[in-house]
Amino acid sequence: KNEVEQSPQNLTAQEGEFITINCSYSVGISALHWLQQHPGGGIVSLFMLSSGKKKHGRLIATINIQEKHSSLHITASHPRDSAVYICAVSPYSGGGADGLTFGKGTHLIIQP
Amino acid sequence: EADIYQTPRYLVIGTGKKITLECSQTMGHDKMYWYQQDPGMELHLIHYSYGVNSTEKGDLSSESTVSRIRTEHFPLTLESARPSHTSQYLCASSPLPGFLDTQYFGPGTRLTVL
Repeated sequence: KNEVEQSPQNLTAQEGEFITINCSYSVGISALHWLQQHPGGGIVSLFMLSSGKKKHGRLIATINIQEKHSSLHITASHPRDSAVYICAVSPYSGGGADGLTFGKGTHLIIQP
Repeated sequence: EADIYQTPRYLVIGTGKKITLECSQTMGHDKMYWYQQDPGMELHLIHYSYGVNSTEKGDLSSESTVSRIRTEHFPLTLESARPSHTSQYLCASSPLPGFLDTQYFGPGTRLTVL
């Protein structure tokens, strides 16, 4: 079982809809990251958070440390939001590799 | 816009060849990482570096090797490429350890070994 689980795996919605992508993790973490990967493969970091909520434009990320759960919301979705959204965590490993542990991603398509 | 570059972007090569994937960043970041991503699968950390002359293996076993002679440069080498090495390789950097700061990703190198 992957340490980071995302749902849904695939999501198709109409332009303007409110989008929610969920992420659950099973390890202790120092931070959680939301990343965006476009078809060309490049990855952009959207948020890094360790508590509460962050907002950037139409994107909102929340995290509940006690429940080991995070959500990424997109308001007023647009076709240019179509991408793979990846949840990743920085495990609190206390000295081991401190690279990220990734979910498999949510493939989002916004139709005009 | 992050200043982290990878070359080549695409590489198709025959079995047994030695290849080096280049990664450079101009942000002066100490931490650098290599991730491997098979099609439709999650990324896995294969190598990382804390700074010059520091290299460590990641969570996923890899036959590749890395070097860090200069802060800005973190090349990955495969001595003898095999079809099982076909994957996308992404390089990233951060100014601080991953749990403290954002990682900046390069555009990736898509490797195909025939």
